[in-house]
Amino acid sequence: GAVVSQHPSWVICKSGTSVKIECRSLDFQATTMFWYRQFPKQSLMLMATSNEGSKATYEQGVEKDKFLINHASLTLSTLTVTSAHPEDSSFYICSARPSTSNEQFFGPGTRLTVL
Amino acid sequence: EDKVVQSPLSLVVHEGDTVTLNCSYEVTNFRSLLWYKQEKKAPTFLFMLTSSGIEKKSGRLSSILDKKELFSILNITATQTGDSAIYLCAGRSGTSYGKLTFGQGTILTVHP
Repeated sequence: GAVVSQHPSWVICKSGTSVKIECRSLDFQATTMFWYRQFPKQSLMLMATSNEGSKATYEQGVEKDKFLINHASLTLSTLTVTSAHPEDSSFYICSARPSTSNEQFFGPGTRLTVL
Repeated sequence: EDKVVQSPLSLVVHEGDTVTLNCSYEVTNFRSLLWYKQEKKAPTFLFMLTSSGIEKKSGRLSSILDKKELFSILNITATQTGDSAIYLCAGRSGTSYGKLTFGQGTILTVHP
């Protein structure tokens, strides 16, 4: 089956630092990857849609200069939370869509805690 | 703006009970409705519904879509404690690279 990995699975950082989260599709090529954020006891909120080789499309209210997305290859997308603050603490989940399908396969998520 | 609403937001039942979870949607250029189960990590896929009136079934879980009323339900019969989770439904758009809009989720708790 299609497997998506995320790294790291959890990270704790100080306020003001930047954190990079990687999303990889392990056994398929993903032209499109999606980044979601989930606060405790809330649903998944789409942050941005990332297409290989082009700029990401951000949802309304998501700051593109704060959440930098790079989709440099067909198997890797990265999300960098720049100058993280405690309110950025959340569960970040990526999903990847194979080139040949409309399905999305979710990564295991990354729990970010900003002190 | 696309919108998906789930009800109830939380539900507490005892083992053996049957539950029905509701999902209504307004999605631009709607393509399909998906149900996921989320425990401690990322959501795991349950069903994808594209056509009205065709029930999808997997063990004790079943789901159906009504495209006229823009509505879907997820049924779980003979619930078990292992069914305790957040159940998410999401509408998929035919535009925007097939992005998913998620509902708020229903938190299901099954007591022994």
